[in-house]
Amino acid sequence: SQQGEEDPQALSIQEGENATMNCSYKTSINNLQWYRQNSGRGLVHLILIRSNEREKHSGRLRVTLDTSKKSSSLLITASRAADTASYFCATDRTGNQFYFGTGTSLTVIP
Amino acid sequence: DAGVIQSPRHEVTEMGQEVTLRCKPISGHNSLFWYRQTMMRGLELLIYFNNNVPIDDSGMPEDRFSAKMPNASFSTLKIQPSEPRDSAVYFCASSPPGVGTDTQYFGPGTRLTVL
Repeated sequence: SQQGEEDPQALSIQEGENATMNCSYKTSINNLQWYRQNSGRGLVHLILIRSNEREKHSGRLRVTLDTSKKSSSLLITASRAADTASYFCATDRTGNQFYFGTGTSLTVIP
Repeated sequence: DAGVIQSPRHEVTEMGQEVTLRCKPISGHNSLFWYRQTMMRGLELLIYFNNNVPIDDSGMPEDRFSAKMPNASFSTLKIQPSEPRDSAVYFCASSPPGVGTDTQYFGPGTRLTVL
C-alpha cells in the first residue's frame, strides 16, 4: 500500500509539553498534508508542505519533510488539552486524491 | 459557507436493507470524495468525482456499493443490500478547482450501523 503510516499510534503527554508525531510513506510525492480529527468529527486540514520544502510553520505547528527518507514529522509546541485528537498525514496520489495514514491518537492531559 | 453537509448523521439498519448516504459539497468545489473509516482499515477512499464525473472508483468494495453525482451540489452513496461489515463512518469531502488547491474539506460523517 502507498498509505502513509504514522508513528506512534498513540501518544499521551502533559499540557504544555511538545508533541511529535511522524509519518513515513513509500512513493515519491508532490506534497504532504497533515489533518486533525476530533472524536466524532470529520478531518480538518492543518498544513500542507510541498516536496521542495523542508520545513513549514503555522502557529504552534511545525512540519518537516525529508524526501530522501520519505518521512515527515509534525511538532505541536506547548500542547493544550484542546489539541487532543487524532492526527493523520496524507500523501498525494493521482489527480488531487490522497492516501491517508492510519493516524496518531494524541491525548493531552490537563 | 456551511461547509460540507452530510445526511443522515447516524443510520441504523438491518442486514439486507438499502442504505443511501447524501452529501452536499461546498459551493464552487469541483472535486468530491467518499471515504470510509473503520478502526481496522483506517480511512479508505471509495470513489472520487471531478466535475460530477466519476474518475476513480477502484476503492468501491464491491457491486453492492454505488455512487452518483447528478449535479455539482449533490452526491449519493448507496449500499444495496447492506451487510454488518459495512458498519463504519462514511465521510464526504470536497476540494476547490485550481492548481495547488489540494486541501480537502470534510463533512461531519455518517455513522452507519448494520445489524
